[in-house]
Amino acid sequence: GNSVTQMEGPVTLSEEAFLTINCTYTATGYPSLFWYVQYPGEGLQLLLKATKADDKGSNKGFEATYRKETTSFHLEKGSVQVSDSAVYFCALRRGYNKLIFGAGTRLAVHP
Amino acid sequence: EAGVTQFPSHSVIEKGQTVTLRCDPISGHDNLYWYRRVMGKEIKFLLHFVKESKQDESGMPNNRFLAERTGGTYSTLKVQPAELEDSGVYFCASSQDPPGFGEQFFGPGTRLTVL
Repeated sequence: GNSVTQMEGPVTLSEEAFLTINCTYTATGYPSLFWYVQYPGEGLQLLLKATKADDKGSNKGFEATYRKETTSFHLEKGSVQVSDSAVYFCALRRGYNKLIFGAGTRLAVHP
Repeated sequence: EAGVTQFPSHSVIEKGQTVTLRCDPISGHDNLYWYRRVMGKEIKFLLHFVKESKQDESGMPNNRFLAERTGGTYSTLKVQPAELEDSGVYFCASSQDPPGFGEQFFGPGTRLTVL
């Protein structure tokens, strides 16, 4: 079946550090891939997406590349800020639009 | 424009009681989804409405859960009777047509605690 696996947290970084959150997926066919973010006290927000192999999604300094050969969609940011502290969810979508999520990775950035 | 809203934000009930969660989607969005996150694990799909019809309810865990969307506007999710394992955060999302491309906009969630 379809599934998403992402690295366990929490991830704790100092401000301006480099961030990588790993995400791999299992799916039939060609799913669309997403990263969602949940800031404290808020709902999930779409951070970025990629709909086909080799696409790169980017937003707010975050990037992720759809790698079909490694079935991965790792999230990266070159220099994190305290305001990036949140829970990040990797997800895929096929069929009738239901999203399939990973377990989430909590990121804590300290000054 | 108002986003997706959910009520209540928190609910604490005892095992065996009934709870009803409400979701108001973004105006004009025909697609409405329910998801839940249990025990800090992955967010799991529960069901999908297109207007007032259930398009996909494959994620509903058992018949203690009943979702409705009368008139194709807001939706309710009733849990009756609640069990301990129902504790978690219940998210609602909505999207425009066509459903295959529409971004899902999420509400803040309802945190349900069953004691």
